[in-house]
This record gives sequence, structure tokens and C-alpha cells, in this order.
Amino acid sequence: EIVVTQSPATLSVSPGERATLSCRASQSVSTNLAWYQQKPGQPPRLLIYGASTRATGIPARFSGSGSGTEFTLSISSLQSEDFAVYYCHQYSGWPAFGQGTKVEIK
Amino acid sequence: QVHLVESGGGVVQPGRSLRLSCAASGFTFSNYAMHWVRQAPGKGLEWVAFISYDGSKKYYADSVKGRFTISRDNSKKTLYLQMNSLRAEDTAVYYCATSPYSSGWSYFDYWGPGMLVTVSS
Repeated sequence: EIVVTQSPATLSVSPGERATLSCRASQSVSTNLAWYQQKPGQPPRLLIYGASTRATGIPARFSGSGSGTEFTLSISSLQSEDFAVYYCHQYSGWPAFGQGTKVEIK
Repeated sequence: QVHLVESGGGVVQPGRSLRLSCAASGFTFSNYAMHWVRQAPGKGLEWVAFISYDGSKKYYADSVKGRFTISRDNSKKTLYLQMNSLRAEDTAVYYCATSPYSSGWSYFDYWGPGMLVTVSS
């Protein structure tokens, strides 16, 4: 079983600043990693798949990087609509999500 | 565009059964694998079950194996989750989600709005 760990649990950022979220897998998942954004009362929305490919309609300020066991989601200049919870998900084997990172307004 | 709508949720007593449905439109349902993912109140996401495009492959999380059954009717463009022997810890919002592939593990590219299932006496 592959365990996925996200850090930090909460990230306080001012609008316009850069946010960097981390995701670690307990064993290599190659680039079989996705990132989702979830706002209260809404389903998750796919942001990134294949560790670094933006999904359709996702703004360029969102970028993903990494391979193997270490991954990063960066949001270059936070907009008001970006304050949300972000989950990473490995799909190299049985699906597993990280516990989420809440990005809140500083 | 892709549209998924879950139905069939509600309040149910422990030990009872419930069947969720997910009606799909806007894509060729019969070509793609599907998943159920759940989220307990205030908690993170948990994958529940997978079914391949033709229903020949089905996989389950250990937490639901032997109690839940995933199925699909491609003629009706509908995904199902039969939930038996429900427990309090099954209380969650249940999402159906699409795979971009016909089979195999993948990311989840489209999600339904979710359906709340509450297991309580």
C-alpha cells in the first residue's frame, strides 16, 4: 500500500503571493500523481495529472513538478478564488489521496 | 460537456442497505472506467471502488470489500453502488468520478456534485 503525505496541513498566504504545496509518496509512483482543488460544498476539481500536466481550463499560474516520491504544486500568484483545500492523489497502484493542504488567506 | 449526477442517498440505519446511482451524459459512457470516491464530514477523500468500461474488472477499498458492489448499465449510461451492512463510518458524501481510460488506474477527470449518505439509528 502506497501512503501519500501532504505538507503543510495549512498554508497561510497573502493574495498575490506564491504558494508551494508538497506531496510525498511512501514509494515511487513515477509521475502517476494528480492534484485537485476543493472548495466548500463542491466536488474536487482536477488541476494537474501526470505530475505536471495542467487539466483543461486550468490557469497557467498552477504548475506541478516532481517524480518518484516527491512532488510539488505551485500557485504563482494567489487569486481570491484559489483559497481552498488541495489534495494530491497517486494512481500508480491502488488509489490513495493525501490528507489535504488548506490554503487560507493570511 | 461531461455531466454526472448522483442520486439515492439519504439517512439509513446501521446494518441496512442503500443503492446509489450516477447518471452520466455528455460523453460516451461505455468507453470509460468509473470510480466511486467518498468524503466523510470534515475529512479528506477516500477512494471506494473502480469498474472498467465493460464491467469485467472491479476493485474495492478494503474498508468496503464484501459489503459494497459497484456495477454499471451502459445502455442506461448509469453507474451504481450497492451498499450493504452499512456502518456509521460509511457516513460520507459519495462522488462518482470518471477515468480518462477504459481500464487501469488513473486520475479522476470529472466528478459529480456528490450525494450524502448518513448512517444513523
